[in-house]
Amino acid sequence: QVTLRESGPALVKPTQTLTLTCTVSGFSLTTSDMCVSWVRQPPGQAPEWLARVDWDDDKYYRTSLKTRLTISKDTSKNQVVLTMTNMDPADTATYYCARQVITLVRGVRHYSLDVWGEGTAVSVSS
Amino acid sequence: DIQMTQSPSSVLASVGDRVTITCRASQAISSWLAWYQQKPGKAPKLLIYAASSLQSGVPSRFSGSGFGTDFTLTITSLQPEDFATYYCQQTNGLPPTFGGGTKVEI
Repeated sequence: QVTLRESGPALVKPTQTLTLTCTVSGFSLTTSDMCVSWVRQPPGQAPEWLARVDWDDDKYYRTSLKTRLTISKDTSKNQVVLTMTNMDPADTATYYCARQVITLVRGVRHYSLDVWGEGTAVSVSS
Repeated sequence: DIQMTQSPSSVLASVGDRVTITCRASQAISSWLAWYQQKPGKAPKLLIYAASSLQSGVPSRFSGSGFGTDFTLTITSLQPEDFATYYCQQTNGLPPTFGGGTKVEI
């Protein structure tokens, strides 16, 4: 059974750095075509993709947040870590990690977030 | 970034109804589109990928169609557990972007 679980602080102060950990089970972070993405969702709003790390350690970031984000993985611990610097109240949201798989459909590679963690709510306030 | 526009933003429906949700991309994305269902306080759940491929375990009353810029999610014979918010997501490039959501309400 594939599961992902997010952990991290529920409250951070403005300008602080947020560190979130995603612990995965049921699949390997080094298996070909396995990726993990971080997605956040502010209260009452649509989800917003933040970053992705692939099985081969390639990393991708949301352009508008690229200077603040770092994604990494520790395969020995089955964990993916996201750090976001200089937190602001506008970053208040539920943060999810999700497995992103690549599926071949009629010869075309398609990405989809097929399993999500429960999410962790982060509030930014002084 | 590719913008995704969903309509309607909310729909009132009854059990047994047929519901259609549309999603329009700001540029052509071939069939690189997924649909998710989200219930309050829960994570999104993948329903459809590659515009029309049903995710394993998802009931067949859900179906997706479309290509290029215009896509639809159809729920035939709405069930009580289908009352939720639905999001489309383009997966054509980075960043993958979500639509604003459609809330299906009683």
